[in-house]
Amino acid sequence: EDQVTQSPEALRLQEGESSSLNCSYTVSGLRGLFWYRQDPGKGPEFLFTLYSAGEEKEKERLKATLTKKESFLHITAPKPEDSATYLCAVQGPGGYNKLIFGAGTRLAVHP
Amino acid sequence: DAGVIQSPRHEVTEMGQEVTLRCKPISGHNSLFWYRQTMMRGLELLIYFNNNVPIDDSGMPEDRFSAKMPNASFSTLKIQPSEPRDSAVYFCASSFEEGYSNQPQHFGDGTRLSIL
Repeated sequence: EDQVTQSPEALRLQEGESSSLNCSYTVSGLRGLFWYRQDPGKGPEFLFTLYSAGEEKEKERLKATLTKKESFLHITAPKPEDSATYLCAVQGPGGYNKLIFGAGTRLAVHP
Repeated sequence: DAGVIQSPRHEVTEMGQEVTLRCKPISGHNSLFWYRQTMMRGLELLIYFNNNVPIDDSGMPEDRFSAKMPNASFSTLKIQPSEPRDSAVYFCASSFEEGYSNQPQHFGDGTRLSIL
């Protein structure tokens, strides 16, 4: 069964303290891995899509990487505005854009 | 550009009442998804439409739930009769699909549903 596990469940950082969030997945034939950011009271906001092992994507202080078993979201010198829940989702084989979501990592960045 | 629009943003109603949630997808998108998010189960796919046709409704919890997409710019999710365990945040998302492409899904801001 396709599965996505994110760790840690929650992470507290000081402003400027870099860290990484993990997304481990098991899926028969990965078509794509997606990272989303969700703020309280809002819907998930798309960040990145990764398609194959070794691929990296960057956006401001965020960098996403992908291996055959997991993805990392690296946060460099975070700011309080980076505080949010980060969701990982995988798209397996099949006829359509079905996503399996992880439970998310709640990130709090304190000044 | 307008994103996915959902209404109402909040709904509080009593058990047994009918609830209708509404969604307007992004113009030009041909796929629409309804999700439910709870603390216990996270984000779960309820139903998927492609070109206004329901393709996968295996996530719909039971017959009390129904969804329609009468045209490319409007969809509804209905719960009748509602129960307290249906309390959750319901999200609508849309994307463009063509062949095997992996266009990301874009989400609305959800409807927070509370059944008393």
